[in-house]
Amino acid sequence: QLQLQESGPGLVKPPETLSLTCTVSGDSISSGTYYWGWIRQPPGKGLEWIGSVYYSGTTYYNMSLKSRVTISVDTSKNQFSLRLNSVTAADTAVYYCARHPYLRYHFDYWGQGTLVTVSS
Amino acid sequence: QSVLTQPPSASGTPGQRVTISCSGSTSNIGSNTVSWYQHLPGTAPKLLIYSNNQRPSGVPDRFSGSKSGTSASLAISGLQSEDEAEYYCAAWDDSLNGLWVFGGGTKLTVL
Repeated sequence: QLQLQESGPGLVKPPETLSLTCTVSGDSISSGTYYWGWIRQPPGKGLEWIGSVYYSGTTYYNMSLKSRVTISVDTSKNQFSLRLNSVTAADTAVYYCARHPYLRYHFDYWGQGTLVTVSS
Repeated sequence: QSVLTQPPSASGTPGQRVTISCSGSTSNIGSNTVSWYQHLPGTAPKLLIYSNNQRPSGVPDRFSGSKSGTSASLAISGLQSEDEAEYYCAAWDDSLNGLWVFGGGTKLTVL
């Protein structure tokens, strides 16, 4: 059974860097069958796609966040990671990792999400 | 302000049929497939419908999806109390360099 689990600090000070990791079990990122993405949901607001990565390291970002975002993959650990720098209170959100078969296709499995609060 | 527009709430009684709409534009729903997700607080969102009207294995056939032009709909028939959740639509958007866009979510209440 595929599982995705987000991990990382729940509190980040502005303007530091938010770092999260998604550990995948039940599938191998290096199989090259899927893309792996990050999505977030600020409190009381809708979902926002941050970006996705392919096993080769090729990345695709939401242009509104691209200047601050880095998504990377570690196939040896079967993990992919998110770094968001220069955070502000507006980056407070539940962050989800998810898998999708193609870049433009649906997200078929999601992690349960992790709340990251940006506050001094 | 979400790119895809959904009603914030919907409701129905057990056994009823409810529909949730999702309105977009030519650059997203009009050009790409729509997916729907069910979300209960504190849990992982669950894929309900993909490619406009396809159900993943394990999703009851009470759930169905459709798309016409720049709009899509999710229908739930034989409503059950366990269906009370937040529902989101999503599609790829071809504008800018391309990005995923979502609806703002519809809170379904089973009365």
